[in-house]
Amino acid sequence: GNSVTQMEGPVTLSEEAFLTINCTYTATGYPSLFWYVQYPGEGLQLLLKATKADDKGSNKGFEATYRKETTSFHLEKGSVQVSDSAVYFCALYNQGGKLIFGQGTELSVKP
Amino acid sequence: GAGVSQSPSNKVTEKGKDVELRCDPISGHTALYWYRQRLGQGLEFLIYFQGNSAPDKSGLPSDRFSAERTGESVSTLTIQRTQQEDSAVYLCASSLNRDSQPQHFGDGTRLSIL
Repeated sequence: GNSVTQMEGPVTLSEEAFLTINCTYTATGYPSLFWYVQYPGEGLQLLLKATKADDKGSNKGFEATYRKETTSFHLEKGSVQVSDSAVYFCALYNQGGKLIFGQGTELSVKP
Repeated sequence: GAGVSQSPSNKVTEKGKDVELRCDPISGHTALYWYRQRLGQGLEFLIYFQGNSAPDKSGLPSDRFSAERTGESVSTLTIQRTQQEDSAVYLCASSLNRDSQPQHFGDGTRLSIL
């Protein structure tokens, strides 16, 4: 079946630190991969996506590369800001209509 | 509308009562999805609608849960005889069609069962 595993949080970083949130998946075929972000008190927003192997999704300084050989889609940012504090969800879509989500990783960035 | 709209934003009710949650998808989106987010956990798929096709109800946790959608417009998720374990944020999403990604999410309804 399809599943997504994320690194557990919370992750606490100082401003301008480098961020990596690990995400690995299990799926048959060729899923599309997503990172969603949920800021405090808000709904989910799409952060970035990749639809095929070796694609790199990027947005707001965040990047993630679709690695089929390691079944991974790790989220990275070179220099985090306080405003990046949120919960980040990795997700996959593999036909069938529904997104499969990881459990979420809470990021807290301190000034 | 400009985005997916859900109401109410918060709902507190007593155990055993029925609740109805509403979702207005983005205009023109034929696919509509419901997810549940329990505290500290990821999102669980509940049900999705695609146009006039039969909905995929495979994620509904029990027969106390049901959902309806009229055409390509508003959907309601109904939980009958609520239990404390139903407390969660219920999120609705829509997309142009089933295989069109990404899904666009509403802000959710936070349901608390006393």
